[in-house]
Amino acid sequence: EVQLVESGGGLVQPGRSLRLSCAASGFTFDDYAMHWVRQAPGKGLEWVSYISWNSGSNIAYADSVKGRFTISRDNAKNSLYLQMNSLRTEDTALYYCTKDQEYRGYGGDALDIWGQGTMVIVSS
Amino acid sequence: QSALTQPPSVSGSPGQSVTISCTGSSSDVGGYNRVSWYQQPPGTAPKLMIFEVRHRPSGVPDRFSGSKSGNTASLTISGLQAEDDTNYYCSSYTSTNTVLFGGGTKLTVL
Repeated sequence: EVQLVESGGGLVQPGRSLRLSCAASGFTFDDYAMHWVRQAPGKGLEWVSYISWNSGSNIAYADSVKGRFTISRDNAKNSLYLQMNSLRTEDTALYYCTKDQEYRGYGGDALDIWGQGTMVIVSS
Repeated sequence: QSALTQPPSVSGSPGQSVTISCTGSSSDVGGYNRVSWYQQPPGTAPKLMIFEVRHRPSGVPDRFSGSKSGNTASLTISGLQAEDDTNYYCSSYTSTNTVLFGGGTKLTVL
C-alpha cells in the first residue's frame, strides 16, 4: 500500500524551530519529487515547498517561508523532512507531505498521494 | 504569489452539471499545462481528481472533466451526486518554479 506518514508536529513558541518528518512506503521513493503543503484551520491549501527526485537539483519554496524553512530528503531512509525555523503564528497549520506524480520529475506536477498531515501550532 | 482565483461557492441539483473556474495569469495557468484539481471532504486529505488540465487518475469517475482556455482552467462535474458536495481546489505550476493553489470552492448539491 502506498503511504505517507507525517510526524514531528506540535505546539511551539514563536521564534522557535521544529522539524517535520515524512515516512514513505509502497513506492520507489527516490524516483519522485516530494512536496509539503499546509492548511491553516478553516482555510485553503497553501503550497510550501518541493524537492526533486534527485534531491539537490531542484528545490523551491513559497515566498512566505523562504529563508526560514528548509526541505530535504534521505532517499536511503525513504524520508522527507521540513526544518522550520523562526516560526510565526501564521505558520500554524496542518502540514501535509505529498508525492509528485511525475516519474523522475523536478517538481510542479500533480500531487497524487497525500499523508494525513501533522499539526503545527505556533503560539506563546 | 497571489492565490489562483476560484469562486467561493457553486451549487447544482442532482443530475445537473456544474463548472468551477480557476483564473490565473500567463505566468501560471495560461503558461503551463500543469493544472490540477483536488477534492477535499472536511477532515480528510485532498484527493487528486484531474492532472495536466484534463487527465483523470485511475478510479476517478468520468463525470469529472477538466479544460483550459487562456488563463482560466475549469473543472466540470456532470451528473451531480450527493457525494460530490464538498470542497475543490485547483493548482498550477508557475514561471517562478513554484506551485500555486486556488482559494477553494465549496460545491453544494441542492
